[in-house]
Amino acid sequence: DSGVTQTPKHLITATGQRVTLRCSPRSGDLSVYWYQQSLDQGLQFLIQYYNGEERAKGNILERFSAQQFPDLHSELNLSSLELGDSALYFCASTLGQGVDNEQFFGPGTRLTVL
Amino acid sequence: GQSLEQPSEVTAVEGAIVQINCTYQTSGFYGLSWYQQHDGGAPTFLSYNALDGLEETGRFSSFLSRSDSYGYLLLQELQMKDSASYFCAVLSRMDSSYKLIFGSGTRLLVRP
Repeated sequence: DSGVTQTPKHLITATGQRVTLRCSPRSGDLSVYWYQQSLDQGLQFLIQYYNGEERAKGNILERFSAQQFPDLHSELNLSSLELGDSALYFCASTLGQGVDNEQFFGPGTRLTVL
Repeated sequence: GQSLEQPSEVTAVEGAIVQINCTYQTSGFYGLSWYQQHDGGAPTFLSYNALDGLEETGRFSSFLSRSDSYGYLLLQELQMKDSASYFCAVLSRMDSSYKLIFGSGTRLLVRP
């Protein structure tokens, strides 16, 4: 158990819909990272938040957005969903801004878009 | 841009030694990490190299050559439970932010 929690575990929705994925980092960690992992693909970095502020951006689509709240939990919002958005979405956390090389991953949310 | 290359699949026998290579191209290189991911599970951290040389942690060792933009993960005394995907990941610094970019992963199959 990494100490990072993600909800929901599974999500099934239809094209065109909007969903919100939630992540709570390890106690004391200030950074949250979001990743997308499609079938047989590696991890694609989406976005990082550090202490409530956006810190780094990866290959995140304009239809996707995220935020980190004062209690440090984070939400990833996916809108106008397409079939290709079906994937595992992981969040990870670290204490610092990213020099910490060891990221602790949550169990993931499996999103299926029908 | 940034790129990482690692073999897509490796098969080895229980008790043997296997080496998974990773070559990378990036600017602002800071270090190379390795992660293990079992099917349906979350990635877990294995090792990190910021300097050239070999780092050993139990049955797993990781090597880095910054001049060659190359690293490898060495797994010794393979066990069936080592069957998993292994990702190399480059930690790079761009401006004042850090990014961890993952390779596509190497699926390791350990046979009896």
